[in-house]
Amino acid sequence: SVLTQPPSVSATPGQRVIISCSGSSSNIGSGAVNWYQQLPGMAPKLLIYSNNQRPAGVPERFSASKSGTSASLAISGLQSEDEADYYCATWDDSLNGRGLFGGGTKLTVL
Amino acid sequence: EVQLLESGGGLVQPGGSLRLSCEASGFSFSMYGMSWVRQAQGKGLEWVSAITGSSSSTHYADSVKGRFTITRDNSKNMLYLQMNSLRVEDSALYYCAKDEWFGELSLDFWGQGTPVTVSS
Repeated sequence: SVLTQPPSVSATPGQRVIISCSGSSSNIGSGAVNWYQQLPGMAPKLLIYSNNQRPAGVPERFSASKSGTSASLAISGLQSEDEADYYCATWDDSLNGRGLFGGGTKLTVL
Repeated sequence: EVQLLESGGGLVQPGGSLRLSCEASGFSFSMYGMSWVRQAQGKGLEWVSAITGSSSSTHYADSVKGRFTITRDNSKNMLYLQMNSLRVEDSALYYCAKDEWFGELSLDFWGQGTPVTVSS
C-alpha cells in the first residue's frame, strides 16, 4: 500500500496504543487523513475525519494527529471491544486523484 | 436515517460483466459524492472509484481504470458500478459509501456490501 501501517499491534485492557500511518507529500502531506474501524464481519465505520475530528458517538478515547507525511491514531483506556482492524485513508492528488487506504492494522486486546 | 443498500453482485466468469447498484436513502443524495470500496476475503480495504454529486468528476483506481465505470442517477437516488472484463482478482465484497467531503475520502456511511466472485 502507498500508505504504510503496521500489520498488527497488541495491548492489554486499559493501556494506550498508537497506530501509525506513513505516506508522502502527494497524499497525507497535502490532505486530510481519516481513520476507519472495522469490527469482525462488519462494514467499516468512520472513526476520525479531517485528521483529528471525531464523528458524533465516537468516544474521546480515540484521538488522532497528523504531522507532515505521517499520521497516527491513539486509543487510550483500551477495551476488549476495540479489537478490530483499523485503516488510515486519504486522497492522493497525483494521477488525476485517487482514494487511498492503508494496508490496515489488526488490533488485538490481550 | 441514512441507508445504503448494494445489490447486483454474484458469480461471473473471467472476462464477464456485472453492474452493481446502490440505493441510497435518508440524505440529499445529489449533494454528496459517493465511492465504491472493495475488500477481498481476508484482505484490506481497496478504494475503487468515486463520483461527485453532480457527476461532473469521476475517479478510478489504476487497477480498474478502463474496465469499470461509475455513474449515478440522482432522480432515483441510485449509484452504479459497471464492471467489464472482470478478472479473478476483482473478486471481493463491494461497498458503496457516502463521501461527506469529496476529495478527502471521508466516508461517513457505508452499505453492507455485495459480493462479487469471478471464477471459471
